[in-house]
Amino acid sequence: NAGVMQNPRHLVRRRGQEARLRCSPMKGHSHVYWYRQLPEEGLKFMVYLQKENIIDESGMPKERFSAEFPKEGPSILRIQQVVRGDSAAYFCASSPYRDRKETQYFGPGTRLLVL
Amino acid sequence: AQSVSQHNHHVILSEAASLELGCNYSYGGTVNLFWYVQYPGQHLQLLLKYFSGDPLVKGIKGFEAEFIKSKFSFNLRKPSVQWSDTAEYFCAVTSSGGSYIPTFGRGTSLIVHP
Repeated sequence: NAGVMQNPRHLVRRRGQEARLRCSPMKGHSHVYWYRQLPEEGLKFMVYLQKENIIDESGMPKERFSAEFPKEGPSILRIQQVVRGDSAAYFCASSPYRDRKETQYFGPGTRLLVL
Repeated sequence: AQSVSQHNHHVILSEAASLELGCNYSYGGTVNLFWYVQYPGQHLQLLLKYFSGDPLVKGIKGFEAEFIKSKFSFNLRKPSVQWSDTAEYFCAVTSSGGSYIPTFGRGTSLIVHP
C-alpha cells in the first residue's frame, strides 16, 4: 500500500518565481493537510483540504500562497513570487477520516530553497 | 488556543542510556496525544498515541509515554536507546471540541552516540 507521495523532493527557485508542490495522499484517504517546517521551529499547520474543498486555511499566509485538492489528481500547494523566507521543508499528510483521534500519515516532504 | 511545549530541543546520549523527552500541553479539557518520529531523511511516522484508558502507552521500538493529567504532560521514555533512535521527535495534541488539526511541538532532536 503506497504511502503519501510528494514531489518534487527538492526544489530550487529564484526569487520571484513560482513554486508548485504536489501531494498524493494514501489510497483511500480524502483528507490532506499541509505543514511547513522551518529550522528550529517545528511543524506549522498551513491548510487542510478535502476533495475539492478547503476546510481550514487558517495557517496559510494571506498572499502568494494557495492550495487545491481537485477531484482528480494530487493536492497542490502553490507559492507565487517566492522570497527567501519561503525556504523550508513542506510536508503533506493525509488521513482517511475527519477525526481528532486519527493518525496523520506524512509524506517525505519537499525541500524548497529560494536563491 | 492549545499549545504544546517541548522543552528539550537537543538531546545527546550514549547508547544504552535512558531517555525521557518532555511534552507539556495547555488545554484543560479532554485531549488526544501523539508522539511522532522523523528519522534522518525520512517522513514523520507515528510512535504512539493516547486517547483514554491506561495512561501508560506502549509504542513501537520500545518507546512508551505516560499521560499525567495533573501535570498536563505526556513524556516519552525509552529505557535503553540505540544509535538507530537518532531522530527528531514531535509531540502533538488535539482536543475534544477543538480543531481537527493537531498542534505540534517544536520538536526534540535526539542524537545517540554509538
